[in-house]
Amino acid sequence: AQSVTQLDSHVSVSEGTPVLLRCNYSSSYSPSLFWYVQHPNKGLQLLLKYTSAATLVKGINGFEAEFKKSETSFHLTKPSAHMSDAAEYFCVVIEESGGSNYKLTFGKGTLLTVNP
Amino acid sequence: NAGVTQTPKFQVLKTGQSMTLQCAQDMNHNSMYWYRQDPGMGLRLIYYSASEGTTDKGEVPNGYNVSRLNKREFSLRLESAAPSQTSVYFCASRDREWEETQYFGPGTRLLVL
Repeated sequence: AQSVTQLDSHVSVSEGTPVLLRCNYSSSYSPSLFWYVQHPNKGLQLLLKYTSAATLVKGINGFEAEFKKSETSFHLTKPSAHMSDAAEYFCVVIEESGGSNYKLTFGKGTLLTVNP
Repeated sequence: NAGVTQTPKFQVLKTGQSMTLQCAQDMNHNSMYWYRQDPGMGLRLIYYSASEGTTDKGEVPNGYNVSRLNKREFSLRLESAAPSQTSVYFCASRDREWEETQYFGPGTRLLVL
């Protein structure tokens, strides 16, 4: 069975400082991993995805994530936080286990606040 | 190209009332999904439809029914609403089997009193 653990429910940074949002996963198969962002009272927007190509994935708005199989991690980073980055972030693992069996599991979310 | 649309945006119900949440996508996607989002719980899958004419239960299907009316539309019905169904409901769609990205609607905020 697959699972996703977002290690911090809340991260607070100052504007201009680096962002690190941590995600660990478990999966029986070779997973695909996504990060979605949700701004207040908005729907979910795809930030980036890993689908077994390059292990360092670049997304929108300067975010990137590195897939580390040995550590079963897919942490999201950004060198310099902007006020507009304040949102909730979800790590998602997707498994396709044959016969078009497709299962998507969301982490519980990390709320990022950015202080001026 | 509107993407995934949901109606209504907000709804208040009394316990025992019924209602249908509507979802439509104009991207010609095969698969559609209904999730609920609760604080500290992430998103949990209620039902999904892998293709027109098929529906399957997700993680939390109790108290809900769905209809895949056609390729575009996937509705979620609460027959007898309960306060535990107060949540934000998101519809999503996905293209072909080899495309994992799901596209989300803006959500419906439901309060059951």
